[in-house]
Amino acid sequence: EAGVTQFPSHSVIEKGQTVTLRCDPISGHDNLYWYRRVMGKEIKFLLHFVKESKQDESGMPNNRFLAERTGGTYSTLKVQPAELEDSGVYFCASSHGLETQYFGPGTRLLVL
Amino acid sequence: SQKIEQNSEALNIQEGKTATLTCNYTNYSPAYLQWYRQDPGRGPVFLLLIRENEKEKRKERLKVTFDTTLKQSLFHITASQPADSATYLCALEGGSAGNMLTFGGGTRLMVKP
Repeated sequence: EAGVTQFPSHSVIEKGQTVTLRCDPISGHDNLYWYRRVMGKEIKFLLHFVKESKQDESGMPNNRFLAERTGGTYSTLKVQPAELEDSGVYFCASSHGLETQYFGPGTRLLVL
Repeated sequence: SQKIEQNSEALNIQEGKTATLTCNYTNYSPAYLQWYRQDPGRGPVFLLLIRENEKEKRKERLKVTFDTTLKQSLFHITASQPADSATYLCALEGGSAGNMLTFGGGTRLMVKP
């Protein structure tokens, strides 16, 4: 069974540009989560999808971040325009039920 | 405010010994607690989940305890091996925070041969 995949693995952009991160969850997992780890801090929750609906987006830092999950399969997280403080590692996770979450390898974003 | 604390200092132990990592939390009523392993450049890998009504859980060389009175979980690796060297993350889910995961900062374990 394939795990959670994320693309790209790394992204280096300039401040003000737009970046779109993609997450493909484990097949059949209705729950999809986005998390972020900024330098020196713990991993923090961003939002939770159940199928294509946003269940909880309380962790989204501001309206420069837009997450979508059209069709309830893969998800994208767009940052527009990117700021320096958006640099970090963005993780996606998926789960079948509401317990164990399986994480992807992360996308390392550097905003210069 | 809710807080999860793990020892931020690296834990260095000799191969074959038991490693014990601590996770303390405050202002939280989790339905369950999970431990993850993270290697450099990779995502967290699920290890064990323990529910609020469970005192102890075991899986091979791993053991987790959960004391909701002390608000503490202990994670043990017995007969440690150099391959166990990694960062171990404690995460709380459920209860007052919904089913998102709230992570501690992690403890880095170094097992020396």
